[in-house]
Amino acid sequence: NAGVMQNPRHLVRRRGQEARLRCSPMKGHSHVYWYRQLPEEGLKFMVYLQKENIIDESGMPKERFSAEFPKEGPSILRIQQVVRGDSAAYFCASSPQGQGNEKLFFGSGTQLSVL
Amino acid sequence: RKEVEQDPGPFNVPEGATVAFNCTYSNSASQSFFWYRQDCRKEPKLLMSVYSSGNEDGRFTAQLNRASQYISLLIRDSKLSDSATYLCVVENNNDMRFGAGTRLTVKP
Repeated sequence: NAGVMQNPRHLVRRRGQEARLRCSPMKGHSHVYWYRQLPEEGLKFMVYLQKENIIDESGMPKERFSAEFPKEGPSILRIQQVVRGDSAAYFCASSPQGQGNEKLFFGSGTQLSVL
Repeated sequence: RKEVEQDPGPFNVPEGATVAFNCTYSNSASQSFFWYRQDCRKEPKLLMSVYSSGNEDGRFTAQLNRASQYISLLIRDSKLSDSATYLCVVENNNDMRFGAGTRLTVKP
């Protein structure tokens, strides 16, 4: 059973380009979370999704950022018109459906560098 | 007030020392609690869940005080390999929130 898969591991973009980060949750997991981590800082919650639904996007900037988790395929975090301040590690995590005391399983993250 | 707050750190301790981390949370309806460990530039990994009765896993002991909305992690006989950032996590209806983390460095 493969773990949470994120790709790419490293992504370099120039200012103004678009960044697409992909996350395939563990098999059987229908909850996906995206977090951002700036250098020397903690994980900041961005968005929580279930299949085809955004449950909580309170941590995601209103502009330029969007996320989806389609019925088929990975979850995508999209950043349009990237700026230098978007440079960070973006972690995806998944958890099983509907149980209390859920544990999160993390992917290895995508390191986004904006030139 | 932040949803989850942790000791600022960093903690620098000698091998064999006992060290304790604290965490407070703002949402009294929170249901589940965890400690995660994150090594530099790596993904966070679950260290242990935190139960109301308190629980122990080897050198690690976690405590929960719902009335005070407070969680703690105690590490006894610390090892060099315990050096990492420790993240407090609070869950409410599948919505997981992380503290900023406390950095621990164990020195020879």
